[in-house]
Amino acid sequence: GENVEQHPSTLSVQEGDSAVIKCTYSDSASNYFPWYKQELGKRPQLIIDIRSNVGEKKDQRIAVTLNKTAKHFSLHITETQPEDSAVYFCARRGGGTSYGKLTFGQGTILTVHP
Amino acid sequence: DGGITQSPKYLFRKEGQNVTLSCEQNLNHDAMYWYRQDPGQGLRLIYYSQIVNDFQKGDIAEGYSVSREKKESFPLTVTSAQKNPTAFYLCASSREGGYGYTFGSGTRLTVV
Repeated sequence: GENVEQHPSTLSVQEGDSAVIKCTYSDSASNYFPWYKQELGKRPQLIIDIRSNVGEKKDQRIAVTLNKTAKHFSLHITETQPEDSAVYFCARRGGGTSYGKLTFGQGTILTVHP
Repeated sequence: DGGITQSPKYLFRKEGQNVTLSCEQNLNHDAMYWYRQDPGQGLRLIYYSQIVNDFQKGDIAEGYSVSREKKESFPLTVTSAQKNPTAFYLCASSREGGYGYTFGSGTRLTVV
């Protein structure tokens, strides 16, 4: 279906370490995969996205990889900083009648310890 | 504030009351969405609209209603039929195809 499974639900790292969050989906028609960061009490904000015709995309310290065969995509944050602490959500967009609608994962609480 | 405005920021509802949450966007986006956020459950879709005068139910539409009379506005009514309405409600809008998804700052609804 349209569900997205996100793991882990919580992630704790030391400043400077890398963090990886993984999402899996089942609908092979999924074609767009954004990642959002939500700080406490604030709105989710898009940090990076990838389309299904691309395998990897980087933006400074963050990157997203997509494995269409295995139906999973991952967020990679390198050289983590305390300000990276937030809740991160993955999402996917399908086709057909659900075109345009995003389905979100359950979220990962990332804590970066100084 | 980011082109999409939600009001009020905080809302208190007595049991049995209907309340309406406002969402306005000036981004010229065709599509608008309402999500509910509960701790540990991510964002769940309530209703969405891809064009004026048309909307579809999301995954948890029961107890909610919407209208889309103008492109800029997509109000959400939480009816008395919604048994557990206490949550953080987020409105979003996007260009055609779901690109450029932008969220409002949210409304925190509490039943008292």
